[in-house]
Amino acid sequence: DGGITQSPKYLFRKEGQNVTLSCEQNLNHDAMYWYRQDPGQGLRLIYYSQIVNDFQKGDIAEGYSVSREKKESFPLTVTSAQKNPTAFYLCASSDKRGSYNEQFFGPGTRLTVL
Amino acid sequence: GQSLEQPSEVTAVEGAIVQMNCTYQTSGFYGLSWYQQHDGGAPTFLSYNALDGLEETGRFSSFLSRSDSYGYLLLQELQMKDSASYFCAVTRGQNFVFGPGTRLSVLP
Repeated sequence: DGGITQSPKYLFRKEGQNVTLSCEQNLNHDAMYWYRQDPGQGLRLIYYSQIVNDFQKGDIAEGYSVSREKKESFPLTVTSAQKNPTAFYLCASSDKRGSYNEQFFGPGTRLTVL
Repeated sequence: GQSLEQPSEVTAVEGAIVQMNCTYQTSGFYGLSWYQQHDGGAPTFLSYNALDGLEETGRFSSFLSRSDSYGYLLLQELQMKDSASYFCAVTRGQNFVFGPGTRLSVLP
């Protein structure tokens, strides 16, 4: 089955530590995205990538970093510079065949920083 | 800047029809999408409007008026499983801006 996987589902870290969230897709999609969702809020775009080895900052990129070395993978690192990292993180992908209109989301990672 | 507005909550009874509105102010507008998200889950795509008018997919319909910067999602024959949050999202080429979402509660 094609889809997007994110691991782990729940993640706990101590304040001041960097942490990397995994996102893998086997849909052969060109574009991948990272969003942050806080309780009762909408999704805010952190970073997105339209092609391998290229990525763009979204609306709230400060304190985060990404890489896109392979088409299937788009890991997100939450650095110690991110002031309020506790949130629900969602990875998504889309494809030019659908004119990028439809996004497919992974199950999310809930990060708690203690 | 970019901003989208949605009512925070809507309540309706099973079998009824509900309309959830979305207004937006954004540059580089390509179209308006709608997503459903159940508590603790991932958003799932419902519909996309690039042109003015109504798009229908089963019990779900979505409307767009570009001149009014306004759209809505219409759900008919409400079921308990429709209780979820519904987000509108503006497509700007290859990235998206999401609204704050409307939480729909369906009562028996």
